Amino acid sequence: EDQVTQSPEALRLQEGESSSLNCSYTVSGLRGLFWYRQDPGKGPEFLFTLYSAGEEKEKERLKATLTKKESFLHITAPKPEDSATYLCAVQAYAGGYNKLIFGAGTRLAVHP
Amino acid sequence: EPEVTQTPSHQVTQMGQEVILRCVPISNHLYFYWYRQILGQKVEFLVSFYNNEISEKSEIFDDQFSVERPDGSNFTLKIRSTKLEDSAMYFCASSTDRGRTDTQYFGPGTRLTVL
Repeated sequence: EDQVTQSPEALRLQEGESSSLNCSYTVSGLRGLFWYRQDPGKGPEFLFTLYSAGEEKEKERLKATLTKKESFLHITAPKPEDSATYLCAVQAYAGGYNKLIFGAGTRLAVHP
Repeated sequence: EPEVTQTPSHQVTQMGQEVILRCVPISNHLYFYWYRQILGQKVEFLVSFYNNEISEKSEIFDDQFSVERPDGSNFTLKIRSTKLEDSAMYFCASSTDRGRTDTQYFGPGTRLTVL
């Protein structure tokens, strides 16, 4: 069964303290891995798509990387406005071709 | 920047009543989706829709649920007889699915409360 596990569940950082969020996945043929940001009471906001092992994408203070079993979201020198829940999702070639399978997310709190 | 919109933002209904949640996908997108998120839980896939028919549905999407694209812009989710456990945030998403690229863009959600 296709599955996504994110760790840690919650992370508290001081402003400027860099860290990484982990997304482990098992999927029967990875079509794509997606990172979203979700603010409380809002819809997921797209950040990155990764397709193959070794791929990296960057946007401002965020950098996403992908291996054959996991993805990392690195946050460099975070600011309080980076506080949110970060969701990882996968899309598989087999079975549900288009559906996204989400992890439970990592709740990030960045304090001044 | 184009975005997915949803109405209403909050819907309160009595158990057993019918509700219709509305979405306007991004205009050049071809694939449409509904997901739901029960408070404190994961985002869960409900249904995908392409070329005026359901392309896939989850076990959650039983006979109480239906989807429709009544015109060229709207995409709706109907729940025929709501249950307490249908209380959740419902998100609409859309994508172009051109070749390898299938990034799904989500709307702000409709919070459904069933009393």
